[in-house]
Amino acid sequence: DIQMTQSPSSLSASVGDRVTLTCRASQGISNSLAWYQQKPGKAPKLLLSAVSKLESGVPSRFSGSASGTDYTLTISSLQSEDFATYYCQHYYTTPWMFGQGTKVEIK
Amino acid sequence: QVQLVQSGAEVKKPGASVKVSCKASGYTFSYYGISWVRQAPGQGLEWMGWISGYNGNTNYAQKLQGRVTMTTDTSTSTAYMELRSLRFDDTAVYYCARGYYSSPLDFWGQGTLVTVSS
Repeated sequence: DIQMTQSPSSLSASVGDRVTLTCRASQGISNSLAWYQQKPGKAPKLLLSAVSKLESGVPSRFSGSASGTDYTLTISSLQSEDFATYYCQHYYTTPWMFGQGTKVEIK
Repeated sequence: QVQLVQSGAEVKKPGASVKVSCKASGYTFSYYGISWVRQAPGQGLEWMGWISGYNGNTNYAQKLQGRVTMTTDTSTSTAYMELRSLRFDDTAVYYCARGYYSSPLDFWGQGTLVTVSS
């Protein structure tokens, strides 16, 4: 199984900060990588697919990139509505796996 | 607009079965698959498997093989997930989401809380 490891598990940041979340795959996943945002009591929401493809309606302050098997989600200027937990997920082959999540909290 | 609407919360005893439904609208059901993802209280997301809306082909997570069955009713654009021999650690919110094979999960249901309690 391909494991996904996210770091950090949590971070504290202020509105306006640039935030970078990382996800590492245990082997190649051919850029079949998605990022989801989940707020308490709500279903996850797809933000980006194929590493860097922004979903319709998602603000452009969210971006994704890759370097080998390391994947990054960047929020260029954190807004109050961005405080949430973020999950990466590969859909390269089954079993699909999610990272354990990064919780972004208010400093 | 695409919508996935799930059935309501369930409370089950250990050893029982639960069947959760997910009614899709706003798109052609047979063009996509439905995946099921669960989330135990305070925990992360766990992929359970998917089913094709086209031909009913399934792909289950190995840890659930033998206990889970996913089906569809194309006449009503509804997907179902049945989990048998329930254990306490099956207590979770169960989500359906559109997406399977090599596509991400682009639309999600609202979630169904399944509580396993004696």
